[in-house]
Amino acid sequence: DSGVTQTPKHLITATGQRVTLRCSPRSGDLSVYWYQQSLDQGLQFLIQYYNGEERAKGNILERFSAQQFPDLHSELNLSSLELGDSALYFCASSVDPAGSSGNTIYFGEGSWLTVV
Amino acid sequence: GESVGLHLPTLSVQEGDNSIINCAYSNSASDYFIWYKQESGKGPQFIIDIRSNMDKRQGQRVTVLLNKTVKHLSLQIAATQPGDSAVYFCAEAGNNRKLIWGLGTSLAVNP
Repeated sequence: DSGVTQTPKHLITATGQRVTLRCSPRSGDLSVYWYQQSLDQGLQFLIQYYNGEERAKGNILERFSAQQFPDLHSELNLSSLELGDSALYFCASSVDPAGSSGNTIYFGEGSWLTVV
Repeated sequence: GESVGLHLPTLSVQEGDNSIINCAYSNSASDYFIWYKQESGKGPQFIIDIRSNMDKRQGQRVTVLLNKTVKHLSLQIAATQPGDSAVYFCAEAGNNRKLIWGLGTSLAVNP
């Protein structure tokens, strides 16, 4: 158990809908990362938050947004869903931004999103 | 642009043999590298890391080698076991503090 909690574990929704994925980081971790993993594109970094503020942005679509709350949990909002958004969405957390002190990033189990 | 790529997308080894998974990176300014293991249905799990001031680092049955001259990273797994079957990712932490991931190498261990 990595200590990172993601909900829901599985989600099936229709095209055009909106969903929210939730992540609780490990106790004490200030950074939260969101990743999308699909069969054809592998693990894609979406966005990172550190202590409530956006820290880095990756290949995140404009239809997607995220935020980190004062209690450090994070939500990833996916709107106007398309079939191609079906993927495994991972949240990860770390103590501080990666690379600054040799810390590592711990991943949750992921949220399976299926868009039909 | 910056990228991290894996030389071999799939690797099949016999149980008990040593496995070597390779990774190339393009950003010579990167100073931190991580190997992750992802088992089916689970999130990536940290295996071992190495900073750019080191050439080699050993863990339990795993060794990471870093060759900065050719920007190459490898993960060696000794006495590979069936439980080692997974997808292995290398990741590079550049000075912009954003991890860059490779596509992953699938390791299959044959009994």
